[in-house]
Amino acid sequence: QQQVKQSPQSLIVQKGGISIINCAYENTAFDYFPWYQQFPGKGPALLIAIRPDVSEKKEGRFTISFNKSAKQFSLHIMDSQPGDSATYFCAASKNYGQNFVFGPGTRLSVLP
Amino acid sequence: EAGVVQSPRYKIIEKKQPVAFWCNPISGHNTLYWYLQNLGQGPELLIRYENEEAVDDSQLPKDRFSAERLKGVDSTLKIQPAELGDSAVYLCASSLGVGASTDTQYFGPGTRLTVL
Repeated sequence: QQQVKQSPQSLIVQKGGISIINCAYENTAFDYFPWYQQFPGKGPALLIAIRPDVSEKKEGRFTISFNKSAKQFSLHIMDSQPGDSATYFCAASKNYGQNFVFGPGTRLSVLP
Repeated sequence: EAGVVQSPRYKIIEKKQPVAFWCNPISGHNTLYWYLQNLGQGPELLIRYENEEAVDDSQLPKDRFSAERLKGVDSTLKIQPAELGDSAVYLCASSLGVGASTDTQYFGPGTRLTVL
């Protein structure tokens, strides 16, 4: 029940295309859902986050869609760029941001 | 503002040897986390500190792992003795803490441990 499932494991997108990564969770106590971006040799960095009282949050080219009833949320990267090539992790936590449970990650490659 | 600092960045040791990792969180951040990240996987929490108190160490293998956060600032994670399966990246993160309006976790670059 503590797991967060993430798909796909890897994703290849052409420059300018839309990248979509999906996550699903079981624990209904989760109340904070961040997405982290990680480049090789670096620690994860927060990209965007959402709380379950909204169904969508957009920041620039990045959008989180949240479906509370289905216990799913997804990251959409519009106009994907080669610089977006990285590993993306979804996460979930309860008690507002503490003790994250991370998904296994999606390796995104954006082709020039 | 400086980010989370970790050292060393890389460490290679023989099995059964001890090893220690150091973390300096962002100034003013009361909560500190140690995560383990295996290759191709997401980070897994080892221990969380609120100031100098370890409030969640349920995932820390206490037979060989130990951690401390003296004075509620810097932290050290130790493994003694190291095993081959301990090869991974050890990440430190920090956040403002309970009661803050936002509790974003900021990660350091990690220490890549290789046990031979």
